[in-house]
Amino acid sequence: DAGVTQSPTHLIKTRGQQVTLRCSPKSGHDTVSWYQQALGQGPQFIFQYYEEEERQRGNFPDRFSGHQFPNYSSELNVNALLLGDSALYLCASSSLSQPYEQYFGPGTRLTVT
Amino acid sequence: GENVEQHPSTLSVQEGDSAVIKCTYSDSASNYFPWYKQELGKRPQLIIDIRSNVGEKKDQRIAVTLNKTAKHFSLHITETQPEDSAVYFCAASIRGFQKLVFGTGTRLLVSP
Repeated sequence: DAGVTQSPTHLIKTRGQQVTLRCSPKSGHDTVSWYQQALGQGPQFIFQYYEEEERQRGNFPDRFSGHQFPNYSSELNVNALLLGDSALYLCASSSLSQPYEQYFGPGTRLTVT
Repeated sequence: GENVEQHPSTLSVQEGDSAVIKCTYSDSASNYFPWYKQELGKRPQLIIDIRSNVGEKKDQRIAVTLNKTAKHFSLHITETQPEDSAVYFCAASIRGFQKLVFGTGTRLLVSP
């Protein structure tokens, strides 16, 4: 039973660039949520995708966008990168039958220089 | 508003002692309260959770209690071991959505 996977593991980008992060949910899960975890902080909710649509969004600017594919995998896109976007980006998957149990992937460590 | 406060920020105990981490939430509609353990450089792992229709839940050395009236919930770890050392996060669901709001974390250090 495959768990949540994310790619890439690490990424270094320059200010102003764009980045795409990828997530595959746990087998049997159909909902993907994205979180940003700054160093020493708890995860902050970015947005959630279900049935290929964004269901809910946290307090993040429009530079953060996403997509969900028919196989439930998801992408997080960040445009016009700022130094403050440096963080661990976590994807969490869940299912409609157990809507609150979210299982996290290993994360992508993004460094913006 | 959506807010979860977590205390203490750091907790040092001796092996075999008990550890208690406390959280307070603001949204009275929250009905699911998970706890995650995050070791350095690793993903948060769900270790125990509790729903609003239950006051206490235990799983071996770990227990969680919930006081809905006071909007408090706590994680209790008994007979702590060095491998319990990690950062622990509490979280609360928000108004029926699958969104979780996290506390700021507690760094637990268990000394042998």
